[in-house]
Amino acid sequence: SQQGEEDPQALSIQEGENATMNCSYKTSINNLQWYRQNSGRGLVHLILIRSNEREKHSGRLRVTLDTSKKSSSLLITASRAADTASYFCATDPRGSGTYKYIFGTGTRLKVLA
Amino acid sequence: ETGVTQTPRHLVMGMTNKKSLKCEQHLGHNAMYWYKQSAKKPLELMFVYNFKEQTENNSVPSRFSPECPNSSHLFLHLHTLQPEDSALYLCASSLAAGPVYFGPGTRLTVL
Repeated sequence: SQQGEEDPQALSIQEGENATMNCSYKTSINNLQWYRQNSGRGLVHLILIRSNEREKHSGRLRVTLDTSKKSSSLLITASRAADTASYFCATDPRGSGTYKYIFGTGTRLKVLA
Repeated sequence: ETGVTQTPRHLVMGMTNKKSLKCEQHLGHNAMYWYKQSAKKPLELMFVYNFKEQTENNSVPSRFSPECPNSSHLFLHLHTLQPEDSALYLCASSLAAGPVYFGPGTRLTVL
């Protein structure tokens, strides 16, 4: 079963709008990370949020974590065409062993100019 | 540029060939990973090495054979692959349980 599942699977917005993506997971975690992937390329790390943190910011990115609901959200404010990419969450399940990061299927974001 | 390099970037091979993928990081990270990314599937963790010791083998078929001679280098040896093994193979590294840095990947096509 998937540890991390992103929602929605695809999202299309106009430039300047905000984009919100959600991630749900099943087991307790040590931390949760968000990544971006441009078509056919490697993943780029965006933000890491630890299980004892509730919110984190980085530039136009805001990540929240609700461990009681086992969910996280990634908000991109004032989106740009260059934000077009797939976004993945990855969890580090507690007790699963060392460095066993589990990724979801991703949200494909398209920002229209 | 994430500091993790992979070669080759593209590889086409027949089912009877033997080839190797190479990954290198000079970030001082202790953990290195191989992931497989197929279309419309989640990223699949294949192998994890911590200080060149294998700590995870996620039920990967033996036609994939990893090698980690030191903390900076990771190889994936391929032999008698199947067409369904065609995918993007991503190498990554991390320092302890911190952010994971990915290479650009090797696009593998098995004919």
